[in-house]
Amino acid sequence: SQQGEEDPQALSIQEGENATMNCSYKTSINNLQWYRQNSGRGLVHLILIRSNEREKHSGRLRVTLDTSKKSSSLLITASRAADTASYFCATVGYSTLTFGKGTMLLVSP
Amino acid sequence: NAGVTQTPKFRVLKTGQSMTLLCAQDMNHEYMYWYRQDPGMGLRLIHYSVGEGTTAKGEVPDGYNVSRLKKQNFLLGLESAAPSQTSVYFCASSGGGSYNSPLHFGNGTRLTVT
Repeated sequence: SQQGEEDPQALSIQEGENATMNCSYKTSINNLQWYRQNSGRGLVHLILIRSNEREKHSGRLRVTLDTSKKSSSLLITASRAADTASYFCATVGYSTLTFGKGTMLLVSP
Repeated sequence: NAGVTQTPKFRVLKTGQSMTLLCAQDMNHEYMYWYRQDPGMGLRLIHYSVGEGTTAKGEVPDGYNVSRLKKQNFLLGLESAAPSQTSVYFCASSGGGSYNSPLHFGNGTRLTVT
């Protein structure tokens, strides 16, 4: 399976700190995507990074991809209480999008 | 724009009952998907559609049927509900294929089968 697996499963930080979440996968990918899910809501797309890209930024988000290690990381800088959510990586192989089980991030004021 | 709308938001069924979950999108997307989300399992693809009139099986299709009679609607049916189908169901759509376009999700339907 090319399912991504996030690490850690849960992360608790204070407002203003940076949060880093990692995703590892098993087989070659076409692209990798990160999504956020607030409690009781659907997933919201954050960033898509293609297999030939190494780093991508979007506002306070920074995503890296290391295809040699089959891993990706999502960095949220200067976190806010509103960043409290679950974060999922999703890997794309030939034709399927497979989600990991997510990292639950709690940002305390 | 409403994006992706799912109805109903909540439903309780008894074992053996049937129901249909409705997903509607107003973004003119070709691709639509049904996922289920269970604690500790992440999201798993049930069925998907690459265009009006087409459907295909995903990772966990057993016990479900789908139809895409209109481009904007994707229906998920449970013919004979089982407790194992207790889950949160999410519909999603995307404008491009091969998952090179982001998925847009609805807010889910929480289904309990007793």
